[in-house]
Amino acid sequence: GAGVSQSPSNKVTEKGKDVELRCDPISGHTALYWYRQSLGQGLEFLIYFQGNSAPDKSGLPSDRFSAERTGGSVSTLTIQRTQQEDSAVYLCASSLNGGSSYNEQFFGPGTRLTVL
Amino acid sequence: DQQVKQNSPSLSVQEGRISILNCDYTNSMFDYFLWYKKYPAEGPTFLISISSIKDKNEDGRFTVFLNKSAKHLSLHIVPSQPGDSAVYFCAARRTGANSKLTFGKGITLSVRP
Repeated sequence: GAGVSQSPSNKVTEKGKDVELRCDPISGHTALYWYRQSLGQGLEFLIYFQGNSAPDKSGLPSDRFSAERTGGSVSTLTIQRTQQEDSAVYLCASSLNGGSSYNEQFFGPGTRLTVL
Repeated sequence: DQQVKQNSPSLSVQEGRISILNCDYTNSMFDYFLWYKKYPAEGPTFLISISSIKDKNEDGRFTVFLNKSAKHLSLHIVPSQPGDSAVYFCAARRTGANSKLTFGKGITLSVRP
């Protein structure tokens, strides 16, 4: 399958620990998005990468959150000093490209993060 | 503040009947609207979309209607099938916003056999 993959599928951590979530986008897709879905909420935009451009970090909720995209492919979302309110499903999506015209975003299955 | 609102958390419909899922938005800058479908433990999958220059888009059993003046859109599924049971998210974007999507909270559709 050539879909978006994410790992781990589930992560349980203790409050205050750091976590890393990984996303492998569809090959050839230059745009990559991170969203999160907290309990009872819709998907909330976190960050967007497009090619070699500076990422759009406008959705990151605090400076404990950061993300990288190495080589224009794999992305890692890092949450430092996790808090209980960080518990959510973190979803990654990729598309052929972002920008002014819409290209379908394909989502991965998500990582369910639980902070105890 | 919730820019995309799906005010009904759930809907139950008999197989073969019509399902109507509603969505309201507040940001008049949105110019493209989408519906995503999500099964448990899977990521959302794109279902159907509509541009703000249209008021209707149809794809098989799925039709999306857009009323710009009311800032309202709806997804019609007819006839509904048990396999349509899932969570449906309404999403919107505006040109120039890096294609990031603003989602509603979703509505859980149950189609009874």
